[in-house]
Amino acid sequence: EIVLTQSPGILSLSPGERATLSCRASQNVIYNYLAWYQQKPGQAPRLLISGARSRAAGIPDRFSGSGSGTDFTLTISRLEPEDFAVYFCQQHGSSPWTFGLGTKVEMK
Amino acid sequence: QVHLVQSGGGVVQPGGSLRLSCAAPRLTLGSYAMHWVRQVPGKGPEWVATISYDGSNPHYADSVRGRFTISADNSKNSLYLQMNSLRTEDTAVYYCARDSAPLPRYYFDHWGQGTLVTVSS
Repeated sequence: EIVLTQSPGILSLSPGERATLSCRASQNVIYNYLAWYQQKPGQAPRLLISGARSRAAGIPDRFSGSGSGTDFTLTISRLEPEDFAVYFCQQHGSSPWTFGLGTKVEMK
Repeated sequence: QVHLVQSGGGVVQPGGSLRLSCAAPRLTLGSYAMHWVRQVPGKGPEWVATISYDGSNPHYADSVRGRFTISADNSKNSLYLQMNSLRTEDTAVYYCARDSAPLPRYYFDHWGQGTLVTVSS
């Protein structure tokens, strides 16, 4: 089973700042099949990125994904007020399909 | 926007059973693979089960295999999760989720609203 470790656990930033979230896998993620989700309190997760760098439909271009192998990054170029949330990475390359524990992006 | 509407859930004793339902728009079931994913509040989500667009190849996480059954009824546009022999560690919010393709790619591009299952005596 691939274990995904996300860091930092909490990121305190102000609107307009850049957010950089990390996801490290315990072994290579096949084909770089790594997804990112955003979750707000009381809501279901929302798909942002699949395949490490492909934005889902309707996702603003301030969200970008990068990385390969075992190290992946989600970057939010300029934080908007609605971006403060918890972000999860998930590998969709090999069974079982696992998620990280999340990074909370909170307003400073 | 694809609207998945869940029902079922609630409180059940250990060893009990529960069935979750997920109503999907026409042409969702029968066109896309579907999944169940659960999440303990404050934790990361956990994949539970998957079924292909035609109802074939159901498969499960080790933690639920032999106890849970995923199924779909395309005539009713509904996805189900039958949960038997429930354990306290099955307590979580359960989500139905749509895949991006008929055969699963295992990332989830639309989600239901979630339903809480509590297993407690």
